[in-house]
Amino acid sequence: NAGVMQNPRHLVRRRGQEARLRCSPMKGHSHVYWYRQLPEEGLKFMVYLQKENIIDESGMPKERFSAEFPKEGPSILRIQQVVRGDSAAYFCASSPRAGDGYTFGSGTRLTVV
Amino acid sequence: AQSVTQLGSHVSVSEGALVLLRCNYSSSVPPYLFWYVQYPNQGLQLLLKYTSAATLVKGINGFEAEFKKSETSFHLTKPSAHMSDAAEYFCAVSEGYTGNQFYFGTGTSLTVIP
Repeated sequence: NAGVMQNPRHLVRRRGQEARLRCSPMKGHSHVYWYRQLPEEGLKFMVYLQKENIIDESGMPKERFSAEFPKEGPSILRIQQVVRGDSAAYFCASSPRAGDGYTFGSGTRLTVV
Repeated sequence: AQSVTQLGSHVSVSEGALVLLRCNYSSSVPPYLFWYVQYPNQGLQLLLKYTSAATLVKGINGFEAEFKKSETSFHLTKPSAHMSDAAEYFCAVSEGYTGNQFYFGTGTSLTVIP
């Protein structure tokens, strides 16, 4: 049983470009969470999704960031018009139920140049 | 609201010495508490979790943590440090099955001195 798969592992974008981060949850997990880790900081919650629904996006920046978890395929975190401050590690986690049983992926490290 | 405070952003111990990483939390509901370990350029791996059963929780790699409600603490310990324990450790709290998210501390970087 593969774990949570995130790709790409590393992503370099120029300022103003779009970044698309993908997360495939563990088999049987229908809850997906995105977290951002800035240098020297802990992980900060961004968004919680179930299939085709955004349940809680209280941690998402109001502009340029969006997330989806379609019926088929991976969850996507999309960052439009990236800026240097978006450089961070973005982690996805999945769970079989809310609040417990989290499994984290290895993250996508976004660098904006 | 939930929050986590990890005292000491950097901890150094000698190989074979006791490891103690501190975590205090605040929660308006009975919490679920977790410790995760992160090795360089990797994701987070669950060490152990407290979900309202036994207050002394044993995890992987010889780590354990004790939930102390009166002190709102969930400190992580290991009797004898190994070189392979060098990593970043994060404490996290959630509202359990009613919660949507984890609240993480800022992490403690553990260095093991040979």
